[in-house]
Amino acid sequence: NAGVTQTPKFQVLKTGQSMTLQCAQDMNHEYMSWYRQDPGMGLRLIHYSVGAGITDQGEVPNGYNVSRSTTEDFPLRLLSAAPSQTSVYFCASSYSGRGDGYTFGSGTRLTVV
Amino acid sequence: DAKTTQPTSMDCAEGRAANLPCNHSTISGNEYVYWYRQIHSQGPQYIIHGLKNNETNEMASLIITEDRKSSTLILPHATLRDTAVYYCIVRVAGGSQGNLIFGKGTKLSVKP
Repeated sequence: NAGVTQTPKFQVLKTGQSMTLQCAQDMNHEYMSWYRQDPGMGLRLIHYSVGAGITDQGEVPNGYNVSRSTTEDFPLRLLSAAPSQTSVYFCASSYSGRGDGYTFGSGTRLTVV
Repeated sequence: DAKTTQPTSMDCAEGRAANLPCNHSTISGNEYVYWYRQIHSQGPQYIIHGLKNNETNEMASLIITEDRKSSTLILPHATLRDTAVYYCIVRVAGGSQGNLIFGKGTKLSVKP
């Protein structure tokens, strides 16, 4: 099993550009979520999904879009990148949202210039 | 806001026990205490969790006070590879209503 796979690992964007961060899991997990981590901070929840076709907002959803067309994939779209979105982004998945069952990807390091 | 309070940083000598405290004075009866750690900007990793009884697994032990207002994560023989940020999280056992909410955690430095 690959677990949770995030691509790309690194990305530099110019202000105003759009892009999609990819997240895929092969564990048949229902729950998937996106977090961002700024330097010296804990992780903050952006969006999450409890199953295919169902998404909801987390703590910091502005500027981001998500969709969940399959169980395996949960892409995060930056609509118009801003320097404030420079961060490390983590995708996580969980079986039924159990608190002990979250598996995290290795992260995408995004810089917006 | 995170429901827990943790020290910002701690040091521990290699081979000694590392005791990481966490205060959660507003914990509800159906909320568990979960511990995750993050090694050098990797994705967080689950360590252990408990409701009211003490718990032990191959990684650590979790001691929860009788009133459940605080807990301590114990790494019995810390190694250099245990250097990480440790997060104490309080939430219900399952379901999206209790997504993992991370605070700033405790940065544990294990020194030779």
